[in-house]
Amino acid sequence: QKEVEQDPGPLSVPEGAIVSLNCTYSNSAFQYFMWYRQYSRKGPELLMYTYSSGNKEDGRFTAQVDKSSKYISLFIRDSQPSDSATYLCAMTEGGSEKLVFGKGTKLTVNP
Amino acid sequence: EPEVTQTPSHQVTQMGQEVILRCVPISNHLYFYWYRQILGQKVEFLVSFYNNEISEKSEIFDDQFSVERPDGSNFTLKIRSTKLEDSAMYFCASSELPPPILNTEAFFGQGTRLTVV
Repeated sequence: QKEVEQDPGPLSVPEGAIVSLNCTYSNSAFQYFMWYRQYSRKGPELLMYTYSSGNKEDGRFTAQVDKSSKYISLFIRDSQPSDSATYLCAMTEGGSEKLVFGKGTKLTVNP
Repeated sequence: EPEVTQTPSHQVTQMGQEVILRCVPISNHLYFYWYRQILGQKVEFLVSFYNNEISEKSEIFDDQFSVERPDGSNFTLKIRSTKLEDSAMYFCASSELPPPILNTEAFFGQGTRLTVV
């Protein structure tokens, strides 16, 4: 089983839609969970960071972690064309500097 | 806004040649990283570097790879004898503290696309 699994999509939604992006993982030692956004020809940029199970909200973005199911989600409300990018989940063990990434989901928000 | 800068943006090299990829991290950052992304694959950790030493490395980072901070501003990745399978986008990143301490962010550069022919 791969360490981090993420559906690569592509995902295409109309402007204003709610987007749900997900990752599953197998390593119980992962403690910290992140979502990165990557625009074409750019490096990843951090969107959200969570530690504990539950929800964390930042503007239109909500990150959700369910450690018991080894499942994390990112929800985007009122999606905009500018949200069109590849979204990468990443996670790390406590005490490690190594980020383990999912494959990324390519999202297109159509005006 | 401060950013991580990588040069060149694209490098083409012949198999067996040595390449050096260069990065200028954000000036007050102390932790430095290299990641790579083979086309269509995941972003993969290569190495982390702090206080002039490698602090963590992956299985990918074998004897063909080395990192150096030759002066106060640059951070380099050297591949001694390139192979076709080294073709990838290489990302440099830097942070003030090692993520995820205190919600620290690792800032990524825009990447260097290495093509080995």
